Amino acid sequence: EAQVTQNPRYLITVTGKKLTVTCSQNMNHEYMSWYRQDPGLGLRQIYYSMNVEVTDKGDVPEGYKVSRKEKRNFPLILESPSPNQTSLYFCASKGAGGGGSQPQHFGDGTRLSIL
Amino acid sequence: SQKIEQNSEALNIQEGKTATLTCNYTNYSPAYLQWYRQDPGRGPVFLLLIRENEKEKRKERLKVTFDTTLKQSLFHITASQPADSATYLCALDMNYGQNFVFGPGTRLSVLP
Repeated sequence: EAQVTQNPRYLITVTGKKLTVTCSQNMNHEYMSWYRQDPGLGLRQIYYSMNVEVTDKGDVPEGYKVSRKEKRNFPLILESPSPNQTSLYFCASKGAGGGGSQPQHFGDGTRLSIL
Repeated sequence: SQKIEQNSEALNIQEGKTATLTCNYTNYSPAYLQWYRQDPGRGPVFLLLIRENEKEKRKERLKVTFDTTLKQSLFHITASQPADSATYLCALDMNYGQNFVFGPGTRLSVLP
């Protein structure tokens, strides 16, 4: 089954304790992206990657890091989490051809609470 | 910066009626506009996309229109059913499939 898998689904942690949210896709997609979703603000893009070793900032990259060492994986790293990063996070992937004509496939989300 | 508005935060309609959701944007001319459905506790699921040079696109009970002069897309669900109840998101392709900007969503409730 084609899917995007995120782990963990839920995490409660404390300010300053480094954490990593993993994302893996099995569709051989070149493009992967991270979003955060907050009430009233919609989905906002954090980082995206057009292919292995190619990453770029989205609209809200501050406080986050990413890496793309393998095509299928795109982890999101919070080096020193703060309470304003409490949010619902989604990973997405899509094929690279055709630009914006490719639909994005989303994982089921990771709910992060930073105390 | 790009701003996207969706007509209302919540929309209630009666089963069997047509639901019409609006997506308005400013400051940009996207090549593509996409619509997604999101159920509680789940990630968005792609429904339809429309290109800047297309006026209308259909898929079963769904219809999307795109007016680049008004900077507006309308999303219609005909013969709506309670199972159509969900949040619907529009998304603009900002940079040839690299950056996407999403609207805040409209929560649709179809009442039996």
